[in-house]
Amino acid sequence: DAGVIQSPRHEVTEMGQEVTLRCKPISGHNSLFWYRQTMMRGLELLIYFNNNVPIDDSGMPEDRFSAKMPNASFSTLKIQPSEPRDSAVYFCASSDAGRQGTQYFGPGTRLLVL
Amino acid sequence: GDSVTQMEGPVTLSEEAFLTINCTYTATGYPSLFWYVQYPGEGLQLLLKATKADDKGSNKGFEATYRKETTSFHLEKGSVQVSDSAVYFCALGERYGQNFVFGPGTRLSVLP
Repeated sequence: DAGVIQSPRHEVTEMGQEVTLRCKPISGHNSLFWYRQTMMRGLELLIYFNNNVPIDDSGMPEDRFSAKMPNASFSTLKIQPSEPRDSAVYFCASSDAGRQGTQYFGPGTRLLVL
Repeated sequence: GDSVTQMEGPVTLSEEAFLTINCTYTATGYPSLFWYVQYPGEGLQLLLKATKADDKGSNKGFEATYRKETTSFHLEKGSVQVSDSAVYFCALGERYGQNFVFGPGTRLSVLP
């Protein structure tokens, strides 16, 4: 079975540019999570969707970040405009048991903003 | 609120040594407990889990027992290998609070 798929795997962009990260959750999973991981701050939950609806976006850093889930098989995380401090690895994870269940992670997108 | 505390790393061991990574938790209800592993350059992978008190999770030679009386879920392995070098995250999933919390992670380095 295919796991969580993320694209791109690596992204290098210049400050001020728009960045879009994509995620395809495991088929049949109804919960989706976006995380950010840095050396300084560790693993941070950005947003949690359940049945395509954003339930908790308290971790989204600021208005430059937005996330959508138009259907059960696709989600995007957008940063506009990007800044060097957004450089991090962004993970998408999905679960079939709500927020408290086992989460399955994608390989991550490594973002570098110059 | 719910929280997870792990021993600070990095932990450095020689191959075939015994491993313990301590994990304790605070939760309002009766959480499920997890250990995830992250190898260099990869995402987090579920290593093992336990859903109720006294359950033992095991996988790839790793074990952890859900201890409600001490609110702990320590990770153990009898003989580590160089390939076990990774970051290990303890986590809890709490049904009533609809919450999932990761610990800060413990980096393990195993030397040949």
